[in-house]
Amino acid sequence: EVQLLESGGGLVQPGGSLRLSCAASGFTFNIYAISWVRQAPGKGLEWVSSISAGGVNTYYADSVKGRFTISRDNSQNTLYLQMSSLRAEDTALYYCAKDWGRKYGSGFFDYWGQGTLVTVSS
Amino acid sequence: EIVLTQSPGTLSLSPGERATLSCRASQRVSSSSLAWYQQKPGQAPRLLIYGASSRATGIPDRLSGSGSGTDFTLTISRLEPEDFAVYYCQQYGSSPYTFGQGTKLEI
Repeated sequence: EVQLLESGGGLVQPGGSLRLSCAASGFTFNIYAISWVRQAPGKGLEWVSSISAGGVNTYYADSVKGRFTISRDNSQNTLYLQMSSLRAEDTALYYCAKDWGRKYGSGFFDYWGQGTLVTVSS
Repeated sequence: EIVLTQSPGTLSLSPGERATLSCRASQRVSSSSLAWYQQKPGQAPRLLIYGASSRATGIPDRLSGSGSGTDFTLTISRLEPEDFAVYYCQQYGSSPYTFGQGTKLEI
C-alpha cells in the first residue's frame, strides 16, 4: 500500500524558515518523480514544486522560486521542502504527491499524503 | 500560465441524477494533458481521470471524462451519495501545472 507521511509543519514568523519532510513507503521511491502541492485554508490547490526520480531536475512555481528548495534522499525514501523567507501567503496545508509517471514524471498525481499545516504569522 | 476556469461553482443535484462539470482552459492544453480530482472535507485529493478521459485505478465507469483543446468535461452518470464532494481539474501539459478553482457538488 502506497503511503506518504508529511511532517515538519508548524507556526513560523514571517521571514522565517521551515523544512518539511515526506516519508514514502509501499512503492519503489527512486523511480518516480514526486511533488509538493499546497492548499490555503478554504481555498483550492496550488502546485508548488516537483523533483525528478534521480533528484537532478527540479521545478518551482514562480510564487516560491528562490525561496523554496525541493530535494530527496532516495536511500531514505524521503522528500524534503526547505522553505525560507516565509510570507503570510505561504500559509497552507502542504501535500506530498506521487507522480503517476516514472523518472521525470507526467505531471499528475496518483497518491497524496494527508498534508502538514504551515502557518506563517507573527 | 494556463488558467483553468471551472463551472459551475456549485452544483446542487440529487442521488441518481446526472452531473456535468466543466473545465475551460485559457490556452490549448497540449496532448489532452488534463486530470480530474475529487476532494472530500478533511481528506487529500483523489485522482479520478487523467489524459482527459482515462479512468484511474478503481474509479467506477459511471465517471467519465471528455474534451480536448480548451474545453473539458467530467460526467457522473448516476450520482451516488459518496460522489458529493469538491472536484478539481488540473492541466499538466505545460509548466507551471495549474488547477481550476473547483466545483462543489452538493446534495
